[in-house]
Amino acid sequence: QKEVEQNSGPLSVPEGAIASLNCTYSDRGSQSFFWYRQYSGKSPELIMFIYSNGDKEDGRFTAQLNKASQYVSLLIRDSQPSDSATYLCAVRWTASKLTFGTGTRLQVTL
Amino acid sequence: SQTIHQWPATLVQPVGSPLSLECTVEGTSNPNLYWYRQAAGRGLQLLFYSVGIGQISSEVPQNLSASRPQDRQFILSSKKLLLSDSGFYLCAWSSGTDSPLHFGNGTRLTVT
Repeated sequence: QKEVEQNSGPLSVPEGAIASLNCTYSDRGSQSFFWYRQYSGKSPELIMFIYSNGDKEDGRFTAQLNKASQYVSLLIRDSQPSDSATYLCAVRWTASKLTFGTGTRLQVTL
Repeated sequence: SQTIHQWPATLVQPVGSPLSLECTVEGTSNPNLYWYRQAAGRGLQLLFYSVGIGQISSEVPQNLSASRPQDRQFILSSKKLLLSDSGFYLCAWSSGTDSPLHFGNGTRLTVT
């Protein structure tokens, strides 16, 4: 059973702070890692993907991957109230399948 | 640019009734297509995926089926709905085996 684990939250951060979201996965052979944002009642939207160990930055978002420790994280700098959503971690462990975590709910407070 | 259309947006169906959800993708050819379900408060469960016309892989044995009659069309069906089929159904596409998935707007199905 391929598993992707996330803390369900809620993770509460003040506006302007850094939000740190974490995800661990069970399959060492996993190759691709994705972060999605899902607003309540809406479908997931892709934020970032990362394939190699290290950091990948895109605007206020940074994805971090550590394959040896089997975790991937998402940092959101200068958090805004509009960032309040559920963040889904997804891991691809075969050519065609993504396994999703259950998501971490982020609340950015004023 | 690529777009994905999924309909209907919401659906209320009685137990035992049939189901047909449709998804189409525009702006790309030979996409990988997926059906996911998200039950209330739970994660996304992969139901079916397809890498080509007529090629369907099923992930969960249940009363649902999928078909891909055309390259960019993916249909989710059931002959008789169960209460447990309620949920948020999401169609998604990707351009290749290592590409991200892009989701449609979803169909919220309530079985009564």
